[in-house]
Amino acid sequence: EVQLLESGGGLVQPGGSLRLSCAASGFTFRSYGMSWVRQAPGEGLEWVSAVSGSGAGTYYADSVKGRFTISRDNSENTLYLQMNSLRVEDTAVYYCAKRGCSGFSCSMDYWGQGTLVTVSS
Amino acid sequence: SALTQPASVSGSPGQSITISCTGTSSDVGSYNLVSWYQQHPGEAPKLMIYEGSKRPSGISNRFSGSKSGNTASLTISGLQAEDEADYYCCSYAGSTTFEVFGGGTKLTVL
Repeated sequence: EVQLLESGGGLVQPGGSLRLSCAASGFTFRSYGMSWVRQAPGEGLEWVSAVSGSGAGTYYADSVKGRFTISRDNSENTLYLQMNSLRVEDTAVYYCAKRGCSGFSCSMDYWGQGTLVTVSS
Repeated sequence: SALTQPASVSGSPGQSITISCTGTSSDVGSYNLVSWYQQHPGEAPKLMIYEGSKRPSGISNRFSGSKSGNTASLTISGLQAEDEADYYCCSYAGSTTFEVFGGGTKLTVL
């Protein structure tokens, strides 16, 4: 059974940093691309970032480019999102999602339960 | 830019409804990579349709997807109370934009 468990969310001041983690199990982690998707309170889904199975390929939404870094540790079956220079508008539930292939030409077939990030002074 | 979905749709049990998702020639129109997600309140999204019209294992055949030009559609037939949820479309949009979601559609089963 595929399981994705996010952690690392919390309250942080504007300009601060936070690192999210997503522990994966139930599938061959290194064989699949992974993504982060966020959802601001009461709002819709927003794709944030994606990484290929090998970790060599990464993509970012314009809203986070230069501030967020996606990475993965295939030996630990863990996905990360390093978030720097956080803004109030980054407040959201952040979901980790498995992609259906090693690259990016596929959908997100499994999602974690999410971790809440609140950016506020 | 985000894909365009109606904010809400409704239907009675047993009826069919269709949710549209309008993009551009840079996303929906260029790739057969539209997916649809169902989200119940307080829960994570769930994949319902991928590659425009394919259903993952375990998804009811009451859910179907299609595409015409720059518009994708999700049809739910034989509406049931448990179908009441938010539905989001998503499309691959090339190596620059990468991926875009629709704004979401709230389905109410009357």
